Amino acid sequence: EAGVAQSPRYKIIEKRQSVAFWCNPISGHATLYWYQQILGQGPKLLIQFQNNGVVDDSQLPKDRFSAERLKGVDSTLKIQPAKLEDSAVYLCASSLAVNYGYTFGSGTRLTVV
Amino acid sequence: GQQLNQSPQSMFIQEGEDVSMNCTSSSIFNTWLWYKQDPGEGPVLLIALYKAGELTSNGRLTAQFGITRKDSFLNISASIPSDVGIYFCAGLWGSSNTGKLIFGQGTTLQVKP
Repeated sequence: EAGVAQSPRYKIIEKRQSVAFWCNPISGHATLYWYQQILGQGPKLLIQFQNNGVVDDSQLPKDRFSAERLKGVDSTLKIQPAKLEDSAVYLCASSLAVNYGYTFGSGTRLTVV
Repeated sequence: GQQLNQSPQSMFIQEGEDVSMNCTSSSIFNTWLWYKQDPGEGPVLLIALYKAGELTSNGRLTAQFGITRKDSFLNISASIPSDVGIYFCAGLWGSSNTGKLIFGQGTTLQVKP
């Protein structure tokens, strides 16, 4: 089966600019997650979708981050305006049943300068 | 919130040596998972554990679910250069349908040929 697709792979922007990331999960996976991974740390959950509804966005900085899941399939994560501390890898993952684990995409490495 | 602590933070070993790493939490988890992350890629699932005391193997990897359900261990036998990477433990918080994975900060493994 095809894996989780993410784009772009890399992005460099200036602070205060906006950026968007795209994720296409594995077909049939109802649950989709966005994680932020800062260098040297483990992934931290930003938002969790079940189909096209939000299950958990308690760790999402809502003043600058937003996310949506279109028709319960693809998802986009947006940052506006970006700050230097947003430099990180943004990982998308999907699962059929979370106790079997997630499948992660390769991530988008964001550098804010 | 929930937090997983991994030790050691990093290891530098000789090819052929065995490796042990562990993960502890102040919270009880009913499912533990171990992931490996290669540079520039998303984490990949290695082993999933579902029952306290369970011991599960995957090739040269063996993981154990602690009796208290607050810890887990990963062992790698006869390490090879391709074992290099970052190893993350993760605990499932919530149900198998709508839960989320909480990740540790990772153990970085380097193998000297």
